[in-house]
Amino acid sequence: NAGVTQTPKFQVLKTGQSMTLQCAQDMNHNSMYWYRQDPGMGLRLIYYSASEGTTDKGEVPNGYNVSRLNKREFSLRLESAAPSQTSVYFCASSEILAGRWNEQFFGPGTRLTVL
Amino acid sequence: AQSVAQPEDQVNVAEGNPLTVKCTYSVSGNPYLFWYVQYPNRGLQFLLKYITGDNLVKGSYGFEAEFNKSQTSFHLKKPSALVSDSALYFCAAMNSGYSTLTFGKGTMLLVSP
Repeated sequence: NAGVTQTPKFQVLKTGQSMTLQCAQDMNHNSMYWYRQDPGMGLRLIYYSASEGTTDKGEVPNGYNVSRLNKREFSLRLESAAPSQTSVYFCASSEILAGRWNEQFFGPGTRLTVL
Repeated sequence: AQSVAQPEDQVNVAEGNPLTVKCTYSVSGNPYLFWYVQYPNRGLQFLLKYITGDNLVKGSYGFEAEFNKSQTSFHLKKPSALVSDSALYFCAAMNSGYSTLTFGKGTMLLVSP
């Protein structure tokens, strides 16, 4: 099992460019999440998908869009990148078992720099 | 709204000494509580969780955490620190009725030889 995979690992964009961050999980989890990590800020939720076919905004959704392509894949799109979106982006997945939420499993992250 | 506080940006401890990383939370209803560790340039790794039951939870790599409902705390502990424990530690909380986690800002643990 690969767990949660993310591509690319690194990316440098110019202001105004667009890009899509890809995430896939092979654990058959229903729920998937996108976070950004900034120094001293912890992890902040951008968007999440509680189940296939649904997406919801998290704490910091402005400037981002998401697509739950199927149960395995959840992508994050920056339509017009801004320097404030320079960050490390993490994808995660989780599942309810026996009526209780399990821990989230995280991908290795994408380090994005916007110039 | 959910919130998690990690009052210490950094904790320094000598190898072999016990360590504590503090966490307090604010969650309505029954909380689910988690600790994660992050090594440099890596993703987050799950350490342990409290869902229900025994207030003392044991996890990976010899770590444990104590759930204290009256103090709304979930401190991470280890009896004897290792240099290899040096990393960034995150506490996270969720309400049992929701699917989203709220993270603290993280505490850097530095274990000196």
